[in-house]
Amino acid sequence: EPEVTQTPSHQVTQMGQEVILRCVPISNHLYFYWYRQILGQKVEFLVSFYNNEISEKSEIFDDQFSVERPDGSNFTLKIRSTKLEDSAMYFCASKSRGYEQYFGPGTRLTVT
Amino acid sequence: KNEVEQSPQNLTAQEGEFITINCSYSVGISALHWLQQHPGGGIVSLFMLSSGKKKHGRLIATINIQEKHSSLHITASHPRDSAVYICAAEPPLGLTFGKGTHLIIQP
Repeated sequence: EPEVTQTPSHQVTQMGQEVILRCVPISNHLYFYWYRQILGQKVEFLVSFYNNEISEKSEIFDDQFSVERPDGSNFTLKIRSTKLEDSAMYFCASKSRGYEQYFGPGTRLTVT
Repeated sequence: KNEVEQSPQNLTAQEGEFITINCSYSVGISALHWLQQHPGGGIVSLFMLSSGKKKHGRLIATINIQEKHSSLHITASHPRDSAVYICAAEPPLGLTFGKGTHLIIQP
């Protein structure tokens, strides 16, 4: 069964450093999402992406965040200058129109 | 902005019991999702529904659009059902998630 994959599974970085989280959505899906979950809290929406552009973003998704689909398979989330409060599990998801979202296993980001 | 509330927050039950988890939302939606999150963190979609009722194995999900309320039921619960169950409303903003219900099924 096709699945969403994410790399790395765990990323440790120092405050102020840039990180890129990578996702490979399911191949025929058209809609892509990034969510985050701070430890012990609920999952929060960051951004959705369709037709090579951002379709929605939350107030969390400020100027330090960016997303890109650099080729036909990868979908990346870049955090330009990480802060301690960016430490969280980041989930990528993808879907076809009108169907459920499929989630990746997540990347645990630890900012020290 | 959609507010998604779940109850109960925590639920411990004995194997075989019938389980109900409730979800309410504040704003009209196109779909309501039920998700399962295991201790390792992975999220699996259980149901996506916009009306009526869906059944998959021992899991049943219902939604009442007029009352803005959905329920997830588990029949003949089993210890392997232990997980966090999350409801999420769509739209706006991708999915708006509830805080989750932490379910423990004891043998």
